[in-house]
Amino acid sequence: IVLTQSPAALSLSPGETATLSCRSSQSVGSYVAWYQQRPGQAPRLLIYEASKRATGIPARFSGSGSGTDFTLTISSLEPEDFAIYYCQQRSFWPGFGGGTRIQIK
Amino acid sequence: QIQESGPQLVMPSQTLALTCSVSGGVIRNTDENWGWIRQSPGKGLEWIGHIHYTGSADYNPSLESRTRISVDTSKNEVSLRLTSLTGADTAVYYCVRDLGSLPAFDVWGRGTLVTVSS
Repeated sequence: IVLTQSPAALSLSPGETATLSCRSSQSVGSYVAWYQQRPGQAPRLLIYEASKRATGIPARFSGSGSGTDFTLTISSLEPEDFAIYYCQQRSFWPGFGGGTRIQIK
Repeated sequence: QIQESGPQLVMPSQTLALTCSVSGGVIRNTDENWGWIRQSPGKGLEWIGHIHYTGSADYNPSLESRTRISVDTSKNEVSLRLTSLTGADTAVYYCVRDLGSLPAFDVWGRGTLVTVSS
């Protein structure tokens, strides 16, 4: 299963909304997770099972989708949200998308 | 918390051995698998495999022939061995908790950079 994330990069200003896409080559049901990776840090779990926020994750992060198309939405971007975001599927063995970088405009 | 340890530099064709130490809890939880993920500039994030405290393990098919993951519940440690190394194995290696009830990787170590070079 191949996960394709788009766009590869997004230039936005603080306070704007980011919409990230993750498309799977085959249906993965709702078994998609999203991670945030800041420079020099390990990835951090944000969303699991497509739409459930992990413990301690702010409500401005939301996930949606099922089957082959998934979306991560970040409302009102904070300075600490400028990072790389990865989606991950769990249908067979785990696999990751190539990432979307959110950079400051 | 989880902490990876092991060599930073390994020669080509040699074997990589990394250890993950788990603190603040125990590995013997039915709902958890403990595993390894690596990240290299060329291939992004790649799942290597995971193991349950019972010793049952699963591996990425692309790495399975060179990989072995083991667990020592008395020490709360998980170990990774990766054989026949090449430059393509140069990466940051992360130890992760794979929580079955999520299911996702909810706890990550800080990672350890391993360079394969002569």
